Amino acid sequence: RKEVEQDPGPFNVPEGATVAFNCTYSNSASQSFFWYRQDCRKEPKLLMSVYSSGNEDGRFTAQLNRASQYISLLIRDSKLSDSATYLCVVNWRLTGGGNKLTFGTGTQLKVEL
Amino acid sequence: NAGVTQTPKFQVLKTGQSMTLQCAQDMNHEYMSWYRQDPGMGLRLIHYSVGAGITDQGEVPNGYNVSRSTTEDFPLRLLSAAPSQTSVYFCASRLRDFQGNEQFFGPGTRLTVL
Repeated sequence: RKEVEQDPGPFNVPEGATVAFNCTYSNSASQSFFWYRQDCRKEPKLLMSVYSSGNEDGRFTAQLNRASQYISLLIRDSKLSDSATYLCVVNWRLTGGGNKLTFGTGTQLKVEL
Repeated sequence: NAGVTQTPKFQVLKTGQSMTLQCAQDMNHEYMSWYRQDPGMGLRLIHYSVGAGITDQGEVPNGYNVSRSTTEDFPLRLLSAAPSQTSVYFCASRLRDFQGNEQFFGPGTRLTVL
């Protein structure tokens, strides 16, 4: 089982639609969670951190479910500019010290007119 | 701030050649790392450094060397290039090795090994 799993998509949605992505992780000791956005042939950039109580940033809402070990990203009122790959990132503390960031393979979103 | 910079943007090598991918950051970050990104594999950690003079191996270190003589620079050396090293390489940095710190990525180097 992969440490972090995402549906690769693509998710093709019309402009204005609401779309949600899920991500599951295998390590129950995971401590922090993020969504990164990666545009085609560009570097990943932090979209938002994911907090236990859930958090919102404009049209984007992130949720964490520790019991079921998944995180989600909801995008409301999709824009053409939201077209990108969304990477789920999970961090856990290593027994020897230090932190391990593990990246999912990404979910591709295409927003269409 | 320029953030994280990488050179070159593109490179084609022949099998057996060596080269160095350059990475620099101007944010005074302690933690720097190198990843490779391959289709269907996600970003995989090659090597990382928690500060000047300290480096360690990640998930896929074979065939690569690193050094960290200054806080700013973290070059990645390919010792003898192989076609399996064809990939997109990203350098990244964050303030320190702390779970909450945002990680910043460079623009990437697209490497092809023939």
